[in-house]
Amino acid sequence: DADVTQTPRNRITKTGKRIMLECSQTKGHDRMYWYRQDPGLGLRLIYYSFDVKDINKGEISDGYSVSRQAQAKFSLSLESAIPNQTALYFCATSVERGSTQYFGPGTRLTVL
Amino acid sequence: AQTVTQSQPEMSVQEAETVTLSCTYDTSENNYYLFWYKQPPSRQMILVIRQEAYKQQNATENRFSVNFQKAAKSFSLKISDSQLGDTAMYFCAFMKLFPNNAGNMLTFGGGTRLMVKP
Repeated sequence: DADVTQTPRNRITKTGKRIMLECSQTKGHDRMYWYRQDPGLGLRLIYYSFDVKDINKGEISDGYSVSRQAQAKFSLSLESAIPNQTALYFCATSVERGSTQYFGPGTRLTVL
Repeated sequence: AQTVTQSQPEMSVQEAETVTLSCTYDTSENNYYLFWYKQPPSRQMILVIRQEAYKQQNATENRFSVNFQKAAKSFSLKISDSQLGDTAMYFCAFMKLFPNNAGNMLTFGGGTRLMVKP
């Protein structure tokens, strides 16, 4: 079984809809991250969390919110989706400062 | 802010040959980590290799090795004996270490698409 899972794997929605992307991990890591991937731009950090009570904005947080429901779960929400939020979204986890980040399989989101 | 540049959008190599992917970065930090990630068509992000900036020795991982030139801020990836399964997007990434255990943020380059030809 995968250590980091994301649901759904693919989603098509319409402008203005609220969308939630979910991430779960069985690695026991405290740190979790949400990234967005656009063609030619690599991955960019949206939000990150170092534990259940600690959530921080990343490089491109506008239009997104997150919830850390438990050590193993970290959700990303788009309150009112817009077409330029069409992208591949990745969740990642890590153990501690300086450690490698391990990625989930990604969610492809299309906003029409 | 840190920037990571991969100047080769696409590359190709014959099976069994060697290829080098380039990466440069811009930072004023002295303590950081560098990574290469592979993204095959399955879109999964897979760690290839990792380098700590304080280590002078270049990291190696089986057929994968790096040439880390700290003064030049260069971090190239060499793939030896290329295999068809190496076909993927390759991303170089920089991790700045914040003080007081505040975080470990990854900044990615734009990627290099590598095609291994039979």
